[in-house]
Amino acid sequence: DVKVTQSSRYLVKRTGEKVFLECVQDMDHENMFWYRQDPGLGLRLIYFSYDVKMKEKGDIPEGYSVSREKKERFSLILESASTNQTSMYLCASSFFGQGLFFGSGTQLSVL
Amino acid sequence: SQQGEEDPQALSIQEGENATMNCSYKTSINNLQWYRQNSGRGLVHLILIRSNEREKHSGRLRVTLDTSKKSSSLLITASRAADTASYFCATDASGAQKLVFGQGTRLTINP
Repeated sequence: DVKVTQSSRYLVKRTGEKVFLECVQDMDHENMFWYRQDPGLGLRLIYFSYDVKMKEKGDIPEGYSVSREKKERFSLILESASTNQTSMYLCASSFFGQGLFFGSGTQLSVL
Repeated sequence: SQQGEEDPQALSIQEGENATMNCSYKTSINNLQWYRQNSGRGLVHLILIRSNEREKHSGRLRVTLDTSKKSSSLLITASRAADTASYFCATDASGAQKLVFGQGTRLTINP
């Protein structure tokens, strides 16, 4: 059974903290993505990656960075968390030409 | 950038009835995808339809695509309580899998 695993289901952090969100897929997918989902704004693409050590900015990369040191792992980093980064974060992976497989999401609250 | 827009925003029907959701988009696409999201969870890929296809079926799901009208519809036949979820369309303009999601249709199936 295919799987995209996000390290935390719920996370509470303080303003200014450095936050790491981890995502691991076991399907040997080339592509990995980070989205955030907010009421009224839908899903918005933060960063994506087509290969190891490769990254591309999505629509809202400001305040975020990513790391892909291994094919199966794609990490999202909030360098200095702010309250407007409180959101549901969704990781996904895929092969080209196919649909995305999503993880269960991490609900991040920044206080 | 908002591409797909679903209509209606919310739909409530009786179990056994058919449910139809529509998606409109603004620019040309390589493919269009439909996803389901149960409350507070990750998205599940349902169907991918390419720009040169007009209709696709998967079990009780039927998707149509009209590129001249820049619109797509998702039909769920013989609905079940388990179909209660939010449904999103997502467009891929270039085939690079930079999906742009609509706001979603909230479907409620009443027993």
